[in-house]
Amino acid sequence: EVQQVESGGGLVQPGGSLRLSCATSGFAFSNYQMNWVRQAPGKGLEWVSFISGSSSTIYYADSVKGRFTISRDNAKNSLYLQMNSLRAEDTAVYYCARVETYYSFYYMDVWGKGTTVTVSS
Amino acid sequence: EIVLTQSPGTLSLSPGARATLSCRASQNIGGIYLAWYQQKPGQAPRLLIYGAYSRATGIPDRFSGSGSGTDFTLTISRLEPEDVAVYYCQQYGRSPPGWTFGQGTKVEIK
Repeated sequence: EVQQVESGGGLVQPGGSLRLSCATSGFAFSNYQMNWVRQAPGKGLEWVSFISGSSSTIYYADSVKGRFTISRDNAKNSLYLQMNSLRAEDTAVYYCARVETYYSFYYMDVWGKGTTVTVSS
Repeated sequence: EIVLTQSPGTLSLSPGARATLSCRASQNIGGIYLAWYQQKPGQAPRLLIYGAYSRATGIPDRFSGSGSGTDFTLTISRLEPEDVAVYYCQQYGRSPPGWTFGQGTKVEIK
């Protein structure tokens, strides 16, 4: 069974840091590109960051560029998101999502249950 | 950057009714470059449709996608109580690279 389990969320003060993890199982992790997607309370979905299978290609949304760092450890089948200089507007549920490709279209076919990040003093 | 606009904001229908959800792109995104997701209350999103009209694994055939260019539609042919959810459309852009979502359509049962 394909599984993705996020962890590492919590309450952090503005300006603080947090590292999220996404442990995967049931598929060949190194063969897949991965995304982080977040959802602020009562709001819609917002893409955060992308990493290719070999970590050679990385993208960030403008809202997190320069503050967040995505990485992966294919030996541990795990995805990470290092979040620095956190702001109140980063408060959200953070999901890891597996990226699949259909011709040249990229979509997300497997999602974890998410981990909650709250930035507040 | 391409913006996706979904309508209506909320759809309230009776069980067994046909639900039609719209997703409009601010620019032509071609014929297959759209996905639909379902998010039930308190749950993670689930992929329903990719490539504009291809159903994901395990998705009932009452869900169907159509459209091309700037106008796309998700249709639920016979609404069931378990279809209560927010539905999002999504596209992938290359310049700049990234994923964008519509703001969502909430489906309720009368």
